[in-house]
Amino acid sequence: EVQLVESGGGLVQPGRSLRLSCTASGFTFGDYAMSWVRQAPGKGLEWVGFIRSKAYGGTTEYAASVKGRFTISRDDSKSIAYLQMNSLKTEDTAVYYCTRDDSWGKGTTVTVSS
Amino acid sequence: DVVMTQSPLSLPVTLGQPASISCRSSQSLVHSDGNTYLNWFQQRPGQSPRRLIYKVSNRDSGVPDRFSGSGSGTDFTLKISRVEAEDVGVYYCMQGTHWPPVTFGGGTKVEIK
Repeated sequence: EVQLVESGGGLVQPGRSLRLSCTASGFTFGDYAMSWVRQAPGKGLEWVGFIRSKAYGGTTEYAASVKGRFTISRDDSKSIAYLQMNSLKTEDTAVYYCTRDDSWGKGTTVTVSS
Repeated sequence: DVVMTQSPLSLPVTLGQPASISCRSSQSLVHSDGNTYLNWFQQRPGQSPRRLIYKVSNRDSGVPDRFSGSGSGTDFTLKISRVEAEDVGVYYCMQGTHWPPVTFGGGTKVEIK
């Protein structure tokens, strides 16, 4: 069974950094691209970014709203995808989901507030 | 960016009756590879999203056959043939043809009358 577990969320001040992790199990992690999607309180879904599998170069793509501030990486030996978030803004407050297209984690909450 | 527009915003439905959700894209979602990357997601209250339909009309494993997807080009529909209580939630369409960015519709809230 595919499982994705996000962690690392919390309360952080504007301008600070946070790193989220997505620990995967139940499939060969290295064979899959992984995405991050977020949902602000009471709002819809917003795509954050994507990392290809190593077979496709392991390259990344980002939404304009986070490009230059957020970085997605992966450690296939540990089956973990990361979302490094720098220069956080109040508008980054959301539940952050890790997804493999057909499977989603339960999400981790990030609150950016002074 | 491709804009995805869903309607209606809210859909009150009687148990056992059909429901239909529309999703329109600002440009054709036919990819150069011939596929149309239009997915539907269900988000029940308090839960994370779950993919129901991929590439317009393909049901994911475990999805009841009362859910069906159709459409082409810029117009797509998710239908529930007979709504059950467990179908309450918000439904989103998503396009993965013209990316980045992947874009979602604003959501349609299905509730029981």
